[in-house]
Amino acid sequence: NAGVMQNPRHLVRRRGQEARLRCSPMKGHSHVYWYRQLPEEGLKFMVYLQKENIIDESGMPKERFSAEFPKEGPSILRIQQVVRGDSAAYFCASSKGKNTEAFFGQGTRLTVV
Amino acid sequence: SQELEQSPQSLIVQEGKNLTINCTSSKTLYGLYWYKQKYGEGLIFLMMLQKGGEEKSHEKITAKLDEKKQQSSLHITASQPSHAGIYLCGADRGNDMRFGAGTRLTVKP
Repeated sequence: NAGVMQNPRHLVRRRGQEARLRCSPMKGHSHVYWYRQLPEEGLKFMVYLQKENIIDESGMPKERFSAEFPKEGPSILRIQQVVRGDSAAYFCASSKGKNTEAFFGQGTRLTVV
Repeated sequence: SQELEQSPQSLIVQEGKNLTINCTSSKTLYGLYWYKQKYGEGLIFLMMLQKGGEEKSHEKITAKLDEKKQQSSLHITASQPSHAGIYLCGADRGNDMRFGAGTRLTVKP
């Protein structure tokens, strides 16, 4: 049973381009969480999704960021018109249910040049 | 701002020494998770605590949740270089999980 898969592991984008980060949850998991870890900082919650629904997006920046978790396929975190400050490690986690253990992916390290 | 306060922020210990990391919340914790992040890698689940007074151990790592369920401690006995990394506590907030800023542990051989 594969763990949470994130890809790409490393992503380099020029300022103004779009970044798409993918997260495939563990088999049987329908809850996905996205976190951002800025250099030298802890994890910060961004968004919580359950299949096809956004449950809590209180941690998402108001502009340029969006997330989806379609019925089929991975969850996608999309960052439009990236800026240098978007450079960070983005982690996703998945769980079976709301109050169950979450498993994390290896993260995607985004570098904006 | 972080909802969970971890202390210390960083810790350097000599191999073989014991150490404790604390995680404090201003709200009651309904589920407290400890994770470890190795440098440059993803997060590894260590333990989950739910009941006040609960204590769990895994190899040389012991975690406790106090009776009031507002503080947890992670204790490592006889630390080894393999214990080095960032330790994060996470709180179940119902709809999502929130994390502390992490404690960066360095173990000197």
